[in-house]
Amino acid sequence: GESVGLHLPTLSVQEGDNSIINCAYSNSASDYFIWYKQESGKGPQFIIDIRSNMDKRQGQRVTVLLNKTVKHLSLQIAATQPGDSAVYFCAERNTGFQKLVFGTGTRLLVSP
Amino acid sequence: KAGVTQTPRYLIKTRGQQVTLSCSPISGHRSVSWYQQTPGQGLQFLFEYFSETQRNKGNFPGRFSGRQFSNSRSEMNVSTLELGDSALYLCASSAGGLNAETQYFGPGTRLLVL
Repeated sequence: GESVGLHLPTLSVQEGDNSIINCAYSNSASDYFIWYKQESGKGPQFIIDIRSNMDKRQGQRVTVLLNKTVKHLSLQIAATQPGDSAVYFCAERNTGFQKLVFGTGTRLLVSP
Repeated sequence: KAGVTQTPRYLIKTRGQQVTLSCSPISGHRSVSWYQQTPGQGLQFLFEYFSETQRNKGNFPGRFSGRQFSNSRSEMNVSTLELGDSALYLCASSAGGLNAETQYFGPGTRLLVL
């Protein structure tokens, strides 16, 4: 069946640390992946995406890694800040369909 | 560009009633998708509209329906509301191509069914 899961429901880090949020997906036909950040009372906010023909993609302070062999996705946040505190979701999509399948989410708590 | 907007932001209904939620996509975007977010089930896909046609559908009962207008604005309707329909309803817009592309979300409509 379709499922996208996360290993850690809550991740607590200190300000300035690097954070790594992991995600496992099960649909080998998925070829597009997105990370979203959701703050309380808001809709998911796009962070970064990656296509299946890539292994790594970097943005501003964020890096997404994709390992298709083990169907694993990770989001790395460098120099984590208190403003990064939120719930992070990974989502997968099968080309040809607009349906996103979301993981359960990881709550990131950043302490000053 | 203005982002995705949703109205109303909050809504309280009673069981058995029906509700209509509205979504205005980012200008130029032709695809609108709807998702339901609950603490128990997470984010689940309801349906997607493109050029006034439903292109994809999730596993929700027929009480959940939607439509899209010629200006790409979309509405979703839930009839015969149940307590379990209490959720945050999110819409997301994208350009509409079937290749990989980002979906941008609105702030959501929080529906409470009493």
